[in-house]
Amino acid sequence: NAGVTQTPKFQVLKTGQSMTLQCAQDMNHEYMSWYRQDPGMGLRLIHYSVGAGITDQGEVPNGYNVSRSTTEDFPLRLLSAAPSQTSVYFCASSYSGGRGYGYTFGSGTRLTVV
Amino acid sequence: QKEVEQDPGPLSVPEGAIVSLNCTYSNSAFQYFMWYRQYSRKGPELLMYTYSSGNKEDGRFTAQVDKSSKYISLFIRDSQPSDSATYLCAKSPFLQGAQKLVFGQGTRLTINP
Repeated sequence: NAGVTQTPKFQVLKTGQSMTLQCAQDMNHEYMSWYRQDPGMGLRLIHYSVGAGITDQGEVPNGYNVSRSTTEDFPLRLLSAAPSQTSVYFCASSYSGGRGYGYTFGSGTRLTVV
Repeated sequence: QKEVEQDPGPLSVPEGAIVSLNCTYSNSAFQYFMWYRQYSRKGPELLMYTYSSGNKEDGRFTAQVDKSSKYISLFIRDSQPSDSATYLCAKSPFLQGAQKLVFGQGTRLTINP
């Protein structure tokens, strides 16, 4: 049981490049989310999903796309990287109602856009 | 105004001291309040959650919510060097689901041996 696995752990991009941050969970959690963490800002929600095929925007969605084709995977795509997207990105997963609660975060992807 | 405000610190205390970490919030629609602990270069891990007002105790940790003043607190008794981490408060309209968490900025805590 690996929990939430994020890849890569570190990435440097040039402005304008695109990339996909991977997130996979093996706990059969229905809910998955992406957060970014910046100094002095705490964690802010980018996008989330309540099940396969269902996604919605969070607080800071601009410049990011997501899709959820399987329960296990929830990739985050940066369309055209900008220096403002330099951050630490965390993926999280959790149960839906009725089966207790579980909030599990991955170990993060540190992204630098130059 | 941020929905959850937290003093970023840093806070440094000697081993064995009682630590008090605090947050204020501004939207009463959120009903669940949580504390996360984050070690350096790791993801946050859920420490405790509370619902409504009152106290909740788990070992050396006590979470307290005062809805009348919109104040959230975490107390750590007999603090240990292993408690050194960043502590994040958060609120949510749901107990289940990480998709609607609103976090404070986090307080960096160091326990000195």
